Amino acid sequence: DAGVIQSPRHEVTEMGQEVTLRCKPISGHDYLFWYRQTMMRGLELLIYFNNNVPIDDSGMPEDRFSAKMPNASFSTLKIQPSEPRDSAVYFCASSWGPTKYGYTFGSGTRLTVV
Amino acid sequence: SQQGEEDPQALSIQEGENATMNCSYKTSINNLQWYRQNSGRGLVHLILIRSNEREKHSGRLRVTLDTSKKSSSLLITASRAADTASYFCATDQVNTGFQKLVFGTGTRLLVSP
Repeated sequence: DAGVIQSPRHEVTEMGQEVTLRCKPISGHDYLFWYRQTMMRGLELLIYFNNNVPIDDSGMPEDRFSAKMPNASFSTLKIQPSEPRDSAVYFCASSWGPTKYGYTFGSGTRLTVV
Repeated sequence: SQQGEEDPQALSIQEGENATMNCSYKTSINNLQWYRQNSGRGLVHLILIRSNEREKHSGRLRVTLDTSKKSSSLLITASRAADTASYFCATDQVNTGFQKLVFGTGTRLLVSP
């Protein structure tokens, strides 16, 4: 298995532009998580899905953020419009039982909004 | 807000020495996990300890858990330069029905040759 695959690895965009981050979880994992990591706030859970259904989106900062999981092998996190304060590393992680087995993380997308 | 707080924030040691980092958390848990993050990479799961366990070993890693104090420690024995990374504890939340983990603030470990 290739692990959790995220794309792009790096994204630089101008303020106001739409940004779409992509994630392919490990096959068979029925949980998918989006986290954001910054120096100031550490690792923050944005949203998670179980069997493609959003379960907890309480960490999504505001309406500018949206996430979808149209099928078991693909998820997107979209920011529209982007702002400089959205600059962070965004991680996707998947699991078949997070509290029993832990997560497998992707390599992350480093987003810079200028 | 973050569930776990790690201590120390940064630790610098020589190869061969032991490294101990601590994690404190706020609410009751089912289990506690430790992860490692190398610079510029995603987190890697190291070890999980259940709330009814007090100690667990995996290779050079030793984890302890004290639920009465809401704290855990990670000991890395005979450290190597390759152990240089940030280490995070992560906890679940009992009785919420949520299958999610909350991560601590992390300890940055530097192991010098």
